[in-house]
Amino acid sequence: SQQGEEDPQALSIQEGENATMNCSYKTSINNLQWYRQNSGRGLVHLILIRSNEREKHSGRLRVTLDTSKKSSSLLITASRAADTASYFCATDASGYGNKLVFGAGTILRVKS
Amino acid sequence: GAVVSQHPSRVICKSGTSVKIECRSLDFQATTMFWYRQFPKQSLMLMATSNEGSKATYEQGVEKDKFLINHASLTLSTLTVTSAHPEDSSFYICSALLSPLLAKNIQYFGAGTRLSVL
Repeated sequence: SQQGEEDPQALSIQEGENATMNCSYKTSINNLQWYRQNSGRGLVHLILIRSNEREKHSGRLRVTLDTSKKSSSLLITASRAADTASYFCATDASGYGNKLVFGAGTILRVKS
Repeated sequence: GAVVSQHPSRVICKSGTSVKIECRSLDFQATTMFWYRQFPKQSLMLMATSNEGSKATYEQGVEKDKFLINHASLTLSTLTVTSAHPEDSSFYICSALLSPLLAKNIQYFGAGTRLSVL
């Protein structure tokens, strides 16, 4: 399986705290993306980082990528109750066409 | 942003019947759409890639005669679950590719369809 792993599987924090999720993958990639899924809904694209980038920011989101370790992290700063959702990393792997390979996901719960 | 509509959001059917799920790109043309299946608290499992005007490409282990995919236009792909059985009960999600070159393979997702087979 090319599916990556994410940790933690579940994370529970207080509103205002930062949340960090990690993702590891197995193959060479063109880019890595993070998606968010609210319960029982589709996924929403959050941010994309290319294989030649090491860090990227978007609002309260910060993504890092370490291609030597085949890993990425997503940091959500100053979390809000509305950030409660599942977060998935997805890799656009070289030679894999247009398909994305999704990680196992992290369930984030932000308590108010 | 790009909007993908998926219908129905929930369907309950009897065992042995067929169910059709529609996936539409509302404000863009999608030459490629994807169909996923998701079990509770698990990740997305790619079932097939749907290309406009050609046959779908199914992932290993997915029965193409069971899950019929039709991508007849640039804005519509359909997934038909034929002769549904209780084990087909799941959450099915579609996505559309805006443009592999412009959008770097960012996928835009429908809201999903919860299928319950009695």
